Amino acid sequence: DIQMTQSPSTLSASVGDRVTITCRASQSISTWLAWYQQKPGKAPKLLIQKVSTLENGVSSRFSGSGSGTEFTLTISSLQPDDFATYYCQQYSKYSETFGQGTKVEIK
Amino acid sequence: EVQLVESGGGFAQPGGSLRLSCAASGFPFDDYAMHWVRQAPGKGLEWVARISWNGRSIGYADSVKGRFTISRDSAEQSLFLEMNSLRPEDTALYFCARDAIVYGTSVGYFDYWGQGALVTVSS
Repeated sequence: DIQMTQSPSTLSASVGDRVTITCRASQSISTWLAWYQQKPGKAPKLLIQKVSTLENGVSSRFSGSGSGTEFTLTISSLQPDDFATYYCQQYSKYSETFGQGTKVEIK
Repeated sequence: EVQLVESGGGFAQPGGSLRLSCAASGFPFDDYAMHWVRQAPGKGLEWVARISWNGRSIGYADSVKGRFTISRDSAEQSLFLEMNSLRPEDTALYFCARDAIVYGTSVGYFDYWGQGALVTVSS
């Protein structure tokens, strides 16, 4: 099974900060990686698929990069609406695995 | 508008059973693979099960294999999760989620989610 490891688990930041979250796969997943945002009491929301393709309506301050086993989600200028938990998810080889999540909280 | 609405959550004792349903609307249900994903209280997301558009290909997480059964009904436009031999560690919010389609093929990430059904397993 492919394991996904996110870091950090929690990130304290201020409005306007540039924020980067890392996701590492236990084996190569090529570019089969998605990112989700989840707010308390809500379902996850798809932000990015295939490493860097933004879903319709997602702000361009979100970006993704990487390939193989190391990936990043970057928020260029953190906004109040961005405080949430972020999950990466691999979808290679007919398997689906999530990272453990990164909570972005207000500093 | 795509809608996924879960129902059937509730309380069960260890060893008991529950059946979750997910009513789909606003898209051609028969064209899409579907999944169940769960989230234990205060924890992260865990993929549970997958069923192909035609029901012929099914997969389960090791944690539920042999205890949970995923199925779908075209006439009802619904997805189901039959949960047997429930354990306290199955306590979670269970989401149904639609598998995205790219160039006519299911790809394995989730473009729409329901709001979840809470399952609590406790003695």
